[in-house]
Amino acid sequence: AQKVTQAQTEISVVEKEDVTLDCVYETRDTTYYLFWYKQPPSGELVFLIRRNSFDEQNEISGRYSWNFQKSTSSFNFTITASQVVDSAVYFCALSDLRLTGGGNKLTFGTGTQLKVEL
Amino acid sequence: DAGITQSPRYKITETGRQVTLMCHQTWSHSYMFWYRQDLGHGLRLIYYSAAADITDKGEVPDGYVVSRSKTENFPLTLESATRSQTSVYFCASSEGDSYEQYFGPGTRLTVT
Repeated sequence: AQKVTQAQTEISVVEKEDVTLDCVYETRDTTYYLFWYKQPPSGELVFLIRRNSFDEQNEISGRYSWNFQKSTSSFNFTITASQVVDSAVYFCALSDLRLTGGGNKLTFGTGTQLKVEL
Repeated sequence: DAGITQSPRYKITETGRQVTLMCHQTWSHSYMFWYRQDLGHGLRLIYYSAAADITDKGEVPDGYVVSRSKTENFPLTLESATRSQTSVYFCASSEGDSYEQYFGPGTRLTVT
């Protein structure tokens, strides 16, 4: 069965600190996709990144970067120079491509609450 | 470009009543999903649909019914609401296989 573990329930940092959110996954699939979503206090879910299992290159987008390591089944997310606006719950998710008619059901981790304080 | 919308945004209902949550997307995405979000559980899939008239169960389907007669709409019905169905419900849509899912703003449902 698919499983995503986000062991950090809550992280508090001071603004401008770097912070890494951990994500460990389990799957028997050889082809799969990993995602990160952000849920700010307003409640909506915002898509951040998708990574397929064949692409282990790290990705950087502004202050955000992602480290995908297949050997350790991890897909960690780092925010550099954190800001108060980064305060949110962050979810890591894993796709399951074996739905009826195709399509990907996402298995979500339980989320990490990030609090960035002044 | 409205994207994906849900209505109502907030709903309070009584145990045993039927309630329908609406989801509408303007992208013509093939896939649509219903999730519930509960503290300590993250998001769990209730039902999904690969196309109009094609639906299937997710992880926690009991007590829910879905239909999809049109590509853009995917209503979720609680046939006889129970307190355990108090939750935040998110609808999502996806362009296709392996694509990211885009979520609606959520419906906060309280069953008293």
